[in-house]
Order: sequence, then structure tokens, then C-alpha cells
Amino acid sequence: AQSVTQLDSQVPVFEEAPVELRCNYSSSVSVYLFWYVQYPNQGLQLLLKYLSGSTLVESINGFEAEFNKSQTSFHLRKPSVHISDTAEYFCAVSEVGSQGNLIFGKGTKLSVKP
Amino acid sequence: EAGVTQFPSHSVIEKGQTVTLRCDPISGHDNLYWYRRVMGKEIKFLLHFVKESKQDESGMPNNRFLAERTGGTYSTLKVQPAELEDSGVYFCASSQSPLQPQHFGDGTRLSIL
Repeated sequence: AQSVTQLDSQVPVFEEAPVELRCNYSSSVSVYLFWYVQYPNQGLQLLLKYLSGSTLVESINGFEAEFNKSQTSFHLRKPSVHISDTAEYFCAVSEVGSQGNLIFGKGTKLSVKP
Repeated sequence: EAGVTQFPSHSVIEKGQTVTLRCDPISGHDNLYWYRRVMGKEIKFLLHFVKESKQDESGMPNNRFLAERTGGTYSTLKVQPAELEDSGVYFCASSQSPLQPQHFGDGTRLSIL
């Protein structure tokens, strides 16, 4: 069975500092990988996804994630964070060939301080 | 394009009562998913509809939960009777196909007293 581990439940950083949110997964089959973000009092929004092709994927607001098959990781990075990036970030996988059911990690709360 | 809409946004009921949650997916999205997040835990899959058919309900906790999607449009999730452990945030998501990213609603926060 697949599982997703986000080891850091909370990550406090200062504005303009770099950040990395870690995500590791376990699966016996190939998976698709996703990062979702939940801003305060809002629903989940897709941040970025890896389906195939280039292992480095980017979002429109400066986040990037790299799929590392050997380490079964999909860490999320941003070189310089803003106050507005304060949110909870969820890593998720779905099994290739499945009906798209997502398996989520527990989430990481990113808190950006001025 | 209207997003996924969930109603109500909050519901507070007593143990033993019945509650019905509603989800309106994005128009044209055949795939509809329900998820739940219990406090302090990860978001977990409950079930998946393709149009009006249940494709996978392996995540449904027990037979107190009943999901329907009559006509293949909106979906309801009924909890009867509600128990304390049913408290959490219930999310609905929709997509055009299983390969397309899922669009999530804002969730329904359910509190059982």
C-alpha cells in the first residue's frame, strides 16, 4: 500500500529566506505526485504536479519540486518566501493506472514571519 | 468557471443525529471524490464516483455513511447516526478524468457534540 510521509508538521521561516518542505513516499508501483496548498479558511489548491517527463516541476508562484525516484522523494522548495506563502502544504500521490484516488501526507504548516 | 462548491461550510450536531453534506462539482466533471480529515491526521480518501456510479468506496468508514450522486451531478454524503469520531473536515473534489488534477471545494467542517 502507498503511504506519504511529511516529517515536518510545522516550518517557521523568516520572509525572504529559502524553504524546503520534505515529502517521501512509499509505493510498490509507479505513482503520480502532487503538492496541494491550503491557505487559511480556504480549500485545497493544486500547487504543482509530476506525471511524467522532466523530474523538476515548477509552479507559477516560484515553488519547485523535484521527483527523485531512487530516494522516493518529492521535496518542495522556494528560494525566497513571502508572508503570503503562509499556508499548510500537502504532498499527495496517486497510483499510475488507478482511478485517481489521492493518498495524502499529514501536511506541513509553513509560517512566514516578517 | 465556478469551482467545486460544498454546503454547509460548518455543521454542529449532537451525537445520534443525522447530517447531510452536499457537493456540487465543476460542471462537466464526471469524476467526484470525497475525502475526510480528522483533526491531527492526514486527509483520507472516502469514495469516488464516475458520473452516478460508485467506482470505489473502499475508504468509507462504516455503514453509517451513505453517499449518492443521483443524475451524475451533485453528490450528497449522509451520516446517520453521527458519532463523535465522525468530527472532521469533509472535502469534495472533482476532475474531468482520473488523470486530470482534482479541484477541491472549501470543505465542510463537521462537529459532533
